[in-house]
Amino acid sequence: DTTVKQNPRYKLARVGKPVNLICSQTMNHDTMYWYQKKPNQAPKLLLFYYDKILNREADTFEKFQSSRPNNSFCSLYIGSAGLEYSAMYLCASSSGDWGCEQYFGPGTRLTVL
Amino acid sequence: TQTVSQSDAHVTVFEGDSVELRCNYSYGGSIYLSWYIQHHGHGLQFLLKYYSGNPVVQGVNGFEAEFSKSDSSFHLRKASVHWSDSAVYFCAVRSANTGANTGKLTFGHGTILRVHP
Repeated sequence: DTTVKQNPRYKLARVGKPVNLICSQTMNHDTMYWYQKKPNQAPKLLLFYYDKILNREADTFEKFQSSRPNNSFCSLYIGSAGLEYSAMYLCASSSGDWGCEQYFGPGTRLTVL
Repeated sequence: TQTVSQSDAHVTVFEGDSVELRCNYSYGGSIYLSWYIQHHGHGLQFLLKYYSGNPVVQGVNGFEAEFSKSDSSFHLRKASVHWSDSAVYFCAVRSANTGANTGKLTFGHGTILRVHP
């Protein structure tokens, strides 16, 4: 099974409220990633876990949190959603191969009102 | 810092035509290059990658890509497209000079390929 699952597929949130997105994979991959994708833009890496080590991008360091309680599961947490957080959030995983071959989930479309 | 440029936002062809989707990158060191496809409503799917060796690499569904160091390019090609190839195609680069647990993929903006029946 090479499936990466994301829940929910669609999320509506109010400005200032928290948002929690879920991702899971059963491929025993050591690395899990979260990307933000806006229309007509490239997927932008937000953070990734290599095993239990969290790496966050410098320009999104304070905006996103994540947890990985076990190898299969990874969440993305926004403490206080703003309008600019409206986007597609893509989860991916990889194992070895220096992360060049990543398996992506279908994404969660977050709309902040 | 590595950058990726996909110069064509949209490409439209007819079924049976050949197609080339362009990707240029800028980075001074060794890199990994890859292509991903995203069908509407689905996640990105890995197509192929290059690091070293034969500059022409084969992927799934008849796709191939050719690396050119002199042109800093990694263009994707298919000899005869099918309507089901209609999708968004993303080129990505990764530095080979960092450890496996420290590097990241940098994606291009994507090229929308439309194949008319």
